[in-house]
Amino acid sequence: NAGVTQTPKFQVLKTGQSMTLQCAQDMNHEYMSWYRQDPGMGLRLIHYSVGAGITDQGEVPNGYNVSRSTTEDFPLRLLSAAPSQTSVYFCASRGQGNQPQHFGDGTRLSIL
Amino acid sequence: DQQVKQNSPSLSVQEGRISILNCDYTNSMFDYFLWYKKYPAEGPTFLISISSIKDKNEDGRFTVFLNKSAKHLSLHIVPSQPGDSAVYFCAASGWNTDKLIFGTGTRLQVFP
Repeated sequence: NAGVTQTPKFQVLKTGQSMTLQCAQDMNHEYMSWYRQDPGMGLRLIHYSVGAGITDQGEVPNGYNVSRSTTEDFPLRLLSAAPSQTSVYFCASRGQGNQPQHFGDGTRLSIL
Repeated sequence: DQQVKQNSPSLSVQEGRISILNCDYTNSMFDYFLWYKKYPAEGPTFLISISSIKDKNEDGRFTVFLNKSAKHLSLHIVPSQPGDSAVYFCAASGWNTDKLIFGTGTRLQVFP
């Protein structure tokens, strides 16, 4: 039972490079979200999706793109990485109703 | 403007005693409150939740109390165990929404 799987676990990028953080869940959850966690701060919502084909912005969406073509996958794209995007990124999913979100183990991203 | 605040960055408790973690919020539109536990290099794990129609919810050693008039909630862990040592995040949202707002976390250390 994999739950929420994030890849890669670690990544180092140079400023200006692009990359996609992958997130997949095998629980048939409709709702998926991306958060970032910075030192001394709580998790902040970047983007979320309430189902395939539907996405919306969270608190800190600038510099990130998402799409949701399938129920299982919710990739997060950095089009032109900046040092301010150095962070730990968490993907989460939840089922219908007021269910709690289940988190992956995160991707630690460093941008030089 | 932090809508969810955890004013104690750390807490140290002896094994067997009660741990009390506190959380304050400012947005009266929040309807749903959750506590997550996080170990290093892992994603947050859901612990317990409470809706605004209740003032208490229990699950084994964990109890969450909600005081809506004071906009305050607390997590009680009794008895505390060394395996409870982790960072605890309080989070809040409107009902059935993915826009979770997290506090900055409290690091709990349970010593023998």
